[in-house]
Amino acid sequence: DTEVTQTPKHLVMGMTNKKSLKCEQHMGHRAMYWYKQKAKKPPELMFVYSYEKLSINESVPSRFSPECPNSSLLNLHLHALQPEDSALYLCASSQPDRLQETQYFGPGTRLLVL
Amino acid sequence: AQTVTQSQPEMSVQEAETVTLSCTYDTSESDYYLFWYKQPPSRQMILVIRQEAYKQQNATENRFSVNFQKAAKSFSLKISDSQLGDAAMYFCAYRPNNAGNMLTFGGGTRLMVKP
Repeated sequence: DTEVTQTPKHLVMGMTNKKSLKCEQHMGHRAMYWYKQKAKKPPELMFVYSYEKLSINESVPSRFSPECPNSSLLNLHLHALQPEDSALYLCASSQPDRLQETQYFGPGTRLLVL
Repeated sequence: AQTVTQSQPEMSVQEAETVTLSCTYDTSESDYYLFWYKQPPSRQMILVIRQEAYKQQNATENRFSVNFQKAAKSFSLKISDSQLGDAAMYFCAYRPNNAGNMLTFGGGTRLMVKP
């Protein structure tokens, strides 16, 4: 089973709203990622959690706040977003100890900021 | 810094025919992994095939195979007997063995399959 789930599938929010994106995996992976993807572009890495600790933060604005409550869950808290933040937000997971480490992606949350 | 280049923004292929998607990369590392991911419209990104740089044998997964040329830093994807369901964005990705968990993606190739 290589399933990564994300909720919600779609989200529309105003620039003053606070919302959260959720990601869950039950593959026992200990690394989880948030990516942002614009249309017809490759994913851009935002954050990496490894063993529930934030290991990479790609200079993402503070209006995006990640959280890793446990090894299976990853949240992305959104506050005071801008219209240019509208994109597909992808979650991925992998097992960092394995030599053939492969990232598995969720279906994404399509976010529209008005 | 590593870069991954997909020189074909769009490709099209007739159903049942064969198509090859190009990917080149730049790295000074000797130990790394290469991946092809498929992302259908409004659907999930899924792994198509994976290649370890230390393996000389080209990876194969059913109708999908790669031509890995390490010296040329080339990693092309061949899709045989193309099907309508193969229509998608295809991303080539690179990960060095010592870089933690970071993938570097190419810009993507949109593949269209004509019935």
